Amino acid sequence: QSALTQPASVSGSPGQSITISCTGTSSDVGSYNFVSWYQQHPSKAPKLMIYEDRKRPSGVSDRFSGSKSGNTASLTISGLQAEDEADYYCCAYAGSGIFYVFGTGTKVTVL
Amino acid sequence: QLQLQESGPGLVKPSETLSLTCTVSGDSISSSSYYWGWLRQPPGKGLEWIASIYYSGSTYYNASLRSRVTISQDTSRNEFSLDLRSVAAADTAVYYCARIHSVHGYGDSFDCWGQGTLVTVSS
Repeated sequence: QSALTQPASVSGSPGQSITISCTGTSSDVGSYNFVSWYQQHPSKAPKLMIYEDRKRPSGVSDRFSGSKSGNTASLTISGLQAEDEADYYCCAYAGSGIFYVFGTGTKVTVL
Repeated sequence: QLQLQESGPGLVKPSETLSLTCTVSGDSISSSSYYWGWLRQPPGKGLEWIASIYYSGSTYYNASLRSRVTISQDTSRNEFSLDLRSVAAADTAVYYCARIHSVHGYGDSFDCWGQGTLVTVSS
């Protein structure tokens, strides 16, 4: 099972909006409404930002939003802030046998 | 407040068994609302799911690691554990334990993580 494809890096200025894509297949991203997104600061554990394609856990800023179209999921960060600079990973549930596939990761830089 | 804490040796010799335990506080691993799992991240690389366990004792494994991995639970201690056998340098990674949110019986996201523990495989 191949990793989901994410851009290696995305950058933006404070206040701007950026979007990170996550491309998979009809067996993972396109199969279930179970794409999740994780933020990871250096030397820290990942933090859940989006689950079930577009839901936000309690306590996560509404500047983070998720969407999906076909085999591609997206994470949008609006009103970019310095604290958003981190690595972001998508993850898709791929059914019994494979279970979970992670994306290649995207480094977000705030200019 | 839910907390997960990994424990185990930080250095394991090649061909030996890596054993880690995750101690959970603030929730019961006997809850039917969640799965519990292990993931890892080699230095400078991405995340990889290793295995999950449900309160019923059902276990699920990454196909690429299945032959070397066992996940188990001790509900009396509110802990779950990972054994990875015949380790090699490629198994050097930060190992995380995590709670997995369950909806309609599917584990859909890793909603709480331990801080992670670095395990180095070296002689």
